[in-house]
Amino acid sequence: AQKITQTQPGMFVQEKEAVTLDCTYDTSDPSYGLFWYKQPSSGEMIFLIYQGSYDQQNATEGRYSLNFQKARKSANLVISASQLGDSAMYFCAMSPTGNQFYFGTGTSLTVIP
Amino acid sequence: KAGVTQTPRYLIKTRGQQVTLSCSPISGHRSVSWYQQTPGQGLQFLFEYFSETQRNKGNFPGRFSGRQFSNSRSEMNVSTLELGDSALYLCASSLGGGGRVLYEQFFGPGTRLTVL
Repeated sequence: AQKITQTQPGMFVQEKEAVTLDCTYDTSDPSYGLFWYKQPSSGEMIFLIYQGSYDQQNATEGRYSLNFQKARKSANLVISASQLGDSAMYFCAMSPTGNQFYFGTGTSLTVIP
Repeated sequence: KAGVTQTPRYLIKTRGQQVTLSCSPISGHRSVSWYQQTPGQGLQFLFEYFSETQRNKGNFPGRFSGRQFSNSRSEMNVSTLELGDSALYLCASSLGGGGRVLYEQFFGPGTRLTVL
């Protein structure tokens, strides 16, 4: 069975500071992908970053980076230089096959000016 | 490239009615997935279609069904609506890879369904 755990229901960060959102996963599949999505109050889900289980290096996309620790089954999202527009729900997701995604319960991030 | 579109954006129905939601994926994407999002249950996977075939199905009752057309557009149908079906229904499309090649899903804006 696949399971994604996000233990932080809510997080606060000062503008321009960095923040780490935690995500752990459980799967017996040797091959899988890890994804992070952002959901603003408008409701749409915005893809942020992807990490493949066989990737040797941590993924980065602009201010987003993924701290991938395979042995610990964790895939934490790091947002650097937080901006007010980063305030949103953040979801971690995993897909072993590419056609079924499993989502965590999300972390609500609030950026304080 | 146009994004994923969903229609309608908002819908109000009463218990016992049925509803059909539509999703048009990004051009070239062959995989369409549907999710139900509620405050209590979070994002729950409904089903996924690829090339007009349902490849995966989540743990939902048979009242929830879907289909995909040859142009990859997809519809989701919920029959005999219940109050608990009130939710944001999200559609996502992807290229639909597999094995060691995985592609991200791109989501539509969602259809907010309210059942009275």
